[in-house]
Amino acid sequence: AQSVTQLDSHVSVSEGTPVLLRCNYSSSYSPSLFWYVQHPNKGLQLLLKYTSAATLVKGINGFEAEFKKSETSFHLTKPSAHMSDAAEYFCVVSYLSGGYQKVTFGIGTKLQVIP
Amino acid sequence: GAVVSQHPSRVICKSGTSVKIECRSLDFQATTMFWYRQFPKQSLMLMATSNEGSKATYEQGVEKDKFLINHASLTLSTLTVTSAHPEDSSFYICSARVTGGYNEQFFGPGTRLTVL
Repeated sequence: AQSVTQLDSHVSVSEGTPVLLRCNYSSSYSPSLFWYVQHPNKGLQLLLKYTSAATLVKGINGFEAEFKKSETSFHLTKPSAHMSDAAEYFCVVSYLSGGYQKVTFGIGTKLQVIP
Repeated sequence: GAVVSQHPSRVICKSGTSVKIECRSLDFQATTMFWYRQFPKQSLMLMATSNEGSKATYEQGVEKDKFLINHASLTLSTLTVTSAHPEDSSFYICSARVTGGYNEQFFGPGTRLTVL
């Protein structure tokens, strides 16, 4: 079975300080992993994705994530938070099941950025 | 990048009526589209996978007769909530996967359904 655990439902950081949003996954196969961001009442925007290439993945808006197979983790980081980063972040694992692509979403982490 | 639109963005309806939500891939063909549901302060839950030209595959616990999905073309999938009730009020989001593409899904902006 595939699952995603986002360890923090809410993270609060000061503007200009580093961001760390944690994600652990469980997958029977080599997974594809994604981070999406959702601003209030908006759809989801892809930040970055891991698809078995480089383990350190760089995304948009200065975000990056590192795939660590030994730790089954895919944590999202950013060196310096900006006010516009305040949003909900979802870690997602994608896999094939019965010939169809399936995705499992984490419960989400709400990022608050304090001025 | 690939753009997915949804219409309407918001809909309010009376209990017992049916509501149709459209999901379109604007600049690419999508053999597969997905429908998700998001309750307040919760994550997205996959409802069904819509494949062009074939029947949709529903997740466990999702009533296929209540949530009718039609994927008639490579750029359009529709979700019809039949005989809507207040508990169906939710944020419905669709996504589309590029035909022949990898696992990345492109998400629509969502539709806020409120059933009175």
